[in-house]
Amino acid sequence: QKEVEQNSGPLSVPEGAIASLNCTYSDRGSQSFFWYRQYSGKSPELIMSIYSNGDKEDGRFTAQLNKASQYVSLLIRDSQPSDSATYLCAVRGSGGYQKVTFGIGTKLQVIP
Amino acid sequence: GAVVSQHPSWVICKSGTSVKIECRSLDFQATTMFWYRQFPKQSLMLMATSNEGSKATYEQGVEKDKFLINHASLTLSTLTVTSAHPEDSSFYICSARPGGGGGQETQYFGPGTRLLVL
Repeated sequence: QKEVEQNSGPLSVPEGAIASLNCTYSDRGSQSFFWYRQYSGKSPELIMSIYSNGDKEDGRFTAQLNKASQYVSLLIRDSQPSDSATYLCAVRGSGGYQKVTFGIGTKLQVIP
Repeated sequence: GAVVSQHPSWVICKSGTSVKIECRSLDFQATTMFWYRQFPKQSLMLMATSNEGSKATYEQGVEKDKFLINHASLTLSTLTVTSAHPEDSSFYICSARPGGGGGQETQYFGPGTRLLVL
């Protein structure tokens, strides 16, 4: 079982729609969760971090965390073509030096 | 804030040569820096974790004698790919995490270094 699982996609949504990106993780002791956006050929940039169960909103982005289900998601409202990128879920484990493990990423395509 | 730089952004070298990549945290002190490698259409793979003033911790399967990491100060870590070969061609990305405790500090990524070994 992979430590952080994501559907690689591509996930295609029309412009203006809500994009829903999902991620599951295996380390039940994990406490810190991150969503990064990576454009092709570029390094990842942080979009959201979440540490507590529930929702966290920042502009058009909402991160949702459910530790009991070991599930974290990212919602993008009013999707724009500029949101087209690969979205990486990252989880900081509970081990000694708290290694952050990345999922393979979900490729999002927003269709104009 | 939280800017991480990498130099160089592009390297083309001959097989057998060594390449040094620098990673700097510009506006914060990074107690921990991470080095990742990313092959095309694959996820980030952690190579090693380095803490300032101590030896790096390498992930399983990463040769520590081939990928030399030095974290000499709180703002600078270097990765040296020794005797590079074509299979080492990849996108190398560093990230830095501020200190301060709490376990919630975020990693900030550098822009990456693309290495091509001929």
